[in-house]
Parts: sequence; structure tokens; C-alpha cells
Amino acid sequence: DAKTTQPPSMDCAEGRAANLPCNHSTISGNEYVYWYRQIHSQGPQYIIHGLKNNETNEMASLIITEDRKSSTLILPHATLRDTAVYYCIVRTPGGGSTLGRLYFGRGTQLTVWP
Amino acid sequence: NAGVMQNPRHLVRRRGQEARLRCSPMKGHSHVYWYRQLPEEGLKFMVYLQKENIIDESGMPKERFSAEFPKEGPSILRIQQVVRGDSAAYFCASSQSGQPRREAQHFGDGTRLSIL
Repeated sequence: DAKTTQPPSMDCAEGRAANLPCNHSTISGNEYVYWYRQIHSQGPQYIIHGLKNNETNEMASLIITEDRKSSTLILPHATLRDTAVYYCIVRTPGGGSTLGRLYFGRGTQLTVWP
Repeated sequence: NAGVMQNPRHLVRRRGQEARLRCSPMKGHSHVYWYRQLPEEGLKFMVYLQKENIIDESGMPKERFSAEFPKEGPSILRIQQVVRGDSAAYFCASSQSGQPRREAQHFGDGTRLSIL
């Protein structure tokens, strides 16, 4: 079952920051928030993940609210190649073997326009 | 620095034939995951394997589908007696260790299976 809620689509002008929101109000204290994206016809690409603190890497920044009920993925300077479906994923709870799976919901279709 | 390699990229089979999809994980990775993406849908987890062991196959259809990850060689997803509904993109991912909550899975570019 989906534990995250994302808007179905967003758009952004090239060169501007893209801010993609995600709600995960039922997240547990030890669950990580992951972001992936899928460019058309390619495999999902890992972007970033975090637990409590904000995280930044060469691709993006992840801002997690203090209560951890929502997060925002920030692409600081969007390019046309950032057009993709972005997935916010909370690792499925449960013990043992089920830790392996990722649940991909519908994600957010981000369109970057020139 | 090879990523996850899947082959073939495209596979066409007639109904009733067998399909074999191969996945070589990233170097040093011993955990493999298979996902299926039906047209216009999101990815659905199928199976999680470690070397020579199936850890979680709860997402796999009960019949016709099997997966293995032998000690040597790639992971294989096998679909017997394929039907039109098996047409989909099949993605493989790998990770290094058994710390799935903290560690990302890295995906290949998938195999597009078409059933005639």
C-alpha cells in the first residue's frame, strides 16, 4: 500500500528550481525517505535518501520536515533532461524479508520547459 | 564502473514460449531485486534474491514465473508458457549489503518483453 502522496504532475521553467513535495504522514521513526526518478523508457535512477536531517548531493537536496510527515525534493537548476516521473518512497515496514522491496506509487510527472 | 546490466533489452516471444531475462548486478553487489512495469503503470516488486537464496518472492505470480541467482553468473527471471498479459518492462536492481533501509537499490535499463 502506498504510504506517500504526491501531486500527479508539475512543471518548471528551465534554469529554475523544481520543488517536488511528498506527504508521508504515517512514516515510522526508523523509516527512510527515498527519491527515485524514471526518465521515459529507462530504469529508475536513485536520487537521494534521508532519515531526519536534510541531505544534499550532486543531483538534489532533500528537505524533511521536523515532524517527518512530509518532504521536498529540490532540483536547484532544472534542465530539460530532468523531465521525468519522480517517485517518493518510504521503505516498507515489516520484518525480515519484506525489507527488500520498494513500493513505487504513481509519482509526479515533472515537465521542464524551455 | 559498470552498472546493473540487463539483457536482452528487447525480447519478443510467441504465446506459449519461454522467456529468460538476465541480470548482472553491479560489481560487489550480492542482492538482486526484480520489478515489473506494465504499460502506463508503476513498477511492482516481484522478487528479492541473494546469492543462491530467494529471500522474498511474495510479488511473483504463483505459476509460470521463477527466479534464481546462482553462485556464479547472472540472476535469471524465467517465464514459462508466456501469455499476452506478460508483456511488460522487467527491471532488475541490485544493492551491496543487507541494510536495505539505509542503502539504495540501483536499477538496470530493463528488458522489454513483447508477446505476439
